[in-house]
Amino acid sequence: GAGVSQSPRYKVAKRGQDVALRCDPISGHVSLFWYQQALGQGPEFLTYFQNEAQLDKSGLPSDRFFAERPEGSVSTLKIQRTQQEDSAVYLCASSLVAGSLAGGRIANTGELFFGEGSRLTVL
Amino acid sequence: QKEVEQDPGPLSVPEGAIVSLNCTYSNSAFQYFMWYRQYSRKGPELLMYTYSSGNKEDGRFTAQVDKSSKYISLFIRDSQPSDSATYLCAMLNAGNMLTFGGGTRLMVKP
Repeated sequence: GAGVSQSPRYKVAKRGQDVALRCDPISGHVSLFWYQQALGQGPEFLTYFQNEAQLDKSGLPSDRFFAERPEGSVSTLKIQRTQQEDSAVYLCASSLVAGSLAGGRIANTGELFFGEGSRLTVL
Repeated sequence: QKEVEQDPGPLSVPEGAIVSLNCTYSNSAFQYFMWYRQYSRKGPELLMYTYSSGNKEDGRFTAQVDKSSKYISLFIRDSQPSDSATYLCAMLNAGNMLTFGGGTRLMVKP
């Protein structure tokens, strides 16, 4: 498809269950980001991939959160032993180029294309 | 204190009004400033971005940045019901990490 695709759109999990959220970025996009958006809040950065390399995972809230992008395309965000505070919308975004201020390319990296998100509810 | 502060609203205006949305920030390292629009149950979409202090205009939208005051604004002229959405300011530093404000919910009533 033409845009960033995320699945599932909605997921209800019982506390303690593991969940996996999938992101299919725009074809050819080098950068991929995961954000967490709580109700009524702005997106909060979780992790960043440049191709298959996870360059920044400083936003992951605990070691229960794990993300991968093994072939530099599709990414999966996995949450183990879900807790109620994990309830949120998980947004994936992709960008054409790698993040860098060199040569003014930052102008392109600023445009992130977001998916519609995966809404996780933990009961 | 959050790095980027934004009044959550909701802001309710009549159709045709001029809307002013604002954010303040504390991190001087921010170099690029964006405004995203997010419709209900959708992902954010980029509206405008600016680099330097001053104004940038695009149709009915004007983005304004005042780096000395660490204050940015988005103005919407002749607001339409279709402008009803949550508006998120976002800022980018050299590390390429976008930091978002909490969003302002705007409702334009016909």
